[in-house]
Formats: sequence, C-alpha cells, structure tokens
Amino acid sequence: EAQVTQNPRYLITVTGKKLTVTCSQNMNHEYMSWYRQDPGLGLRQIYYSMNVEVTDKGDVPEGYKVSRKEKRNFPLILESPSPNQTSLYFCASSLSWREDPDTQYFGPGTRLTVL
Amino acid sequence: KNQVEQSPQSLIILEGKNCTLQCNYTVSPFSNLRWYKQDTGRGPVSLTIMTFSENTKSNGRYTATLDADTKQSSLHITASQLSDSASYICVVRGQAGTALIFGKGTTLSVSS
Repeated sequence: EAQVTQNPRYLITVTGKKLTVTCSQNMNHEYMSWYRQDPGLGLRQIYYSMNVEVTDKGDVPEGYKVSRKEKRNFPLILESPSPNQTSLYFCASSLSWREDPDTQYFGPGTRLTVL
Repeated sequence: KNQVEQSPQSLIILEGKNCTLQCNYTVSPFSNLRWYKQDTGRGPVSLTIMTFSENTKSNGRYTATLDADTKQSSLHITASQLSDSASYICVVRGQAGTALIFGKGTTLSVSS
C-alpha cells in the first residue's frame, strides 16, 4: 500500500532533550516536506527536500533540522526542544516538485508535547 | 503578500443538507488550487486539484469551482453525511515548483 509513515505518533518529552521524528514513504517520491499544525494557524511548512541531499527551509525552520540521505526517508530533528514546539507535525511527499499539479500525500501525524 | 483566506471558519449543518465553503486568494502568479479534507487527528487527504484553466472539478459529492479572474474558489458538498465532518483546507501554489500556501481551513460539523 502506498503510504507515508511517521514515528512516533505521540511523544511527550522535556525541554532540551534531543528527539527525532522519522518519516518514510514507499512511493519513490522525490519531494518530501515537514509541516506543523497549530490551532488557528493552519499548516506551516518547516523544511522541504526536492531530492536526496537537497533540503531547504520553509516558513518556520527555527529550532529544527532535517536530513535526506536516502530517497525514502526524511527525519525531523529537534536538537533542543522547547515548549513552543509543542504541535502536531505532518510529513508529506509528492512525486516531484517539477510535476505540477502534483498530489501531495500526508502522513498520519505526530503529536509532540514538550514540557 | 501571498495569502489564502477561507470562510466561514466553522459551519454546522444537518445531515442531508448541502453546503458551500469559500476560498479567496491573493497568490500571483497562480499555478493551481487544491482542496484537502482533514479528519480530526489525521493527515490531510487531497479532494481536488485545479489549474487556472479549469472552472469546475468534481469528486463524488464534492464539487470545486474556480474563478481565476476574481481569485475565488468554492467547495460544494452535496447531500452531506456524518462522515463529511472534518476540516477542509484550501491550498494554492503560485509559480510551478514553489511552496504551497495553506488556508487555515473551515471546520464542518454534520449533525443527525
């Protein structure tokens, strides 16, 4: 089944404790992206990747890191999480940033709470 | 500034009724507009994608319209069902290959 998976789905952590949220897709998509969703603000892009080893900042990249060492995986790293990073996070992928219009597939979401 | 505004913010309707959600955007140049459905606690799922040359697109009971001149789109839901209760998000892409711009969504509640 074609899908985007994220792990963990739920995470409660404390300020300053490094964490990684994994994202994987099995559709051979080139383009992958991370979003956070907060009440009243909608979805905001954190980072995106157009292909392996190619990443770029979105609208709200501060406090986050990403890597794209292989096509299927795009982990989101919080080196020193803070309470304002408490949010619902979504990973998404699409075939290619060149294809337009392209359908973007979203993962199930990761609910992160930073105490 | 490129923006996508959706209205109403929330809507409650009775099962079986129709409803229309609105999306206005200021994105220019414009490449395409998408409507997503997001169930509570789940990722958004694409309903329709329309380019500037398309006026109407349907997906079952969902019909999206686009007026690229006035920069307005609407999503019409026919004969609503309880399972239509969700957030509906309008998303616009400017130039091909650029980042997507998301509206804040309309929360629809369908009651029996």
